[in-house]
Amino acid sequence: DAKTTQPPSMDCAEGRAANLPCNHSTISGNEYVYWYRQIHSQGPQYIIHGLKNNETNEMASLIITEDRKSSTLILPHATLRDTAVYYCIVRVASNTGNQFYFGTGTSLTVIP
Amino acid sequence: DTEVTQTPKHLVMGMTNKKSLKCEQHMGHRAMYWYKQKAKKPPELMFVYSYEKLSINESVPSRFSPECPNSSLLNLHLHALQPEDSALYLCASSQPWTSGPYEQYFGPGTRLTVT
Repeated sequence: DAKTTQPPSMDCAEGRAANLPCNHSTISGNEYVYWYRQIHSQGPQYIIHGLKNNETNEMASLIITEDRKSSTLILPHATLRDTAVYYCIVRVASNTGNQFYFGTGTSLTVIP
Repeated sequence: DTEVTQTPKHLVMGMTNKKSLKCEQHMGHRAMYWYKQKAKKPPELMFVYSYEKLSINESVPSRFSPECPNSSLLNLHLHALQPEDSALYLCASSQPWTSGPYEQYFGPGTRLTVT
C-alpha cells in the first residue's frame, strides 16, 4: 500500500494561503491522491482528489508533482473555520470499493 | 442529498452488553464502510461492503459483526466489547471503484464508551 507522510502540525495566518504538503513516494501509477479534513469530533469531509494533473474546486487546489511522489493542498484564503486535521490519502486500487488508509494527518491551526 | 446518518450519536455499554450501530445513506451508493477512530489518531478501516456483500475485513475481532441488510443500510453489531474498543465509529459510503474514483462520504460518527 502506498503510504503518506505529512508534517504533524502547521499554522497559517487568517486570509493567507495555507500550503499543506504530502509525500507519497511509493504511489502506483493508477492510484489517486485524496485530501480530506476532519474538524474536531466530526466525520471527515472530502476536499479534492487527483491523479496526475493539478485540480481546483471551490474549496482548494491540489498540486501534484510530475513524478507523483508528492502533492500540496492549497487553501487560497484560510479562515478560522479551516482549522482542522487534514489527511492526505492514497486510494488503494480495488474493484471492491475505495479503500482509504489514512495517514497521521496535519493539524492546521488558522491564527487570527 | 449527500448525507450519511449514524445512530446513536453516543453509546455507553457494559462489557457483557449487546448493542448495534446503524448507518444509513440515500445517495444510491453501493459501497459502504466502517472505520474506527481512537482519540488523536486517524480513522482505521474495519470493513468494506460492496454491493451488499462483505469484501474487506481488516482482521477485526469477531466481537464486531457487520451487516448490510440492503443497499442503504449498514449495521455494526457489538458484543462482549472491551474498554479499549471505546472510540468514534465512522460510517462512510461511495460508489464502488468499478464506477470510477468516487469520494467517500462520511457520517458524523457514533461515540462509543465501553465500561
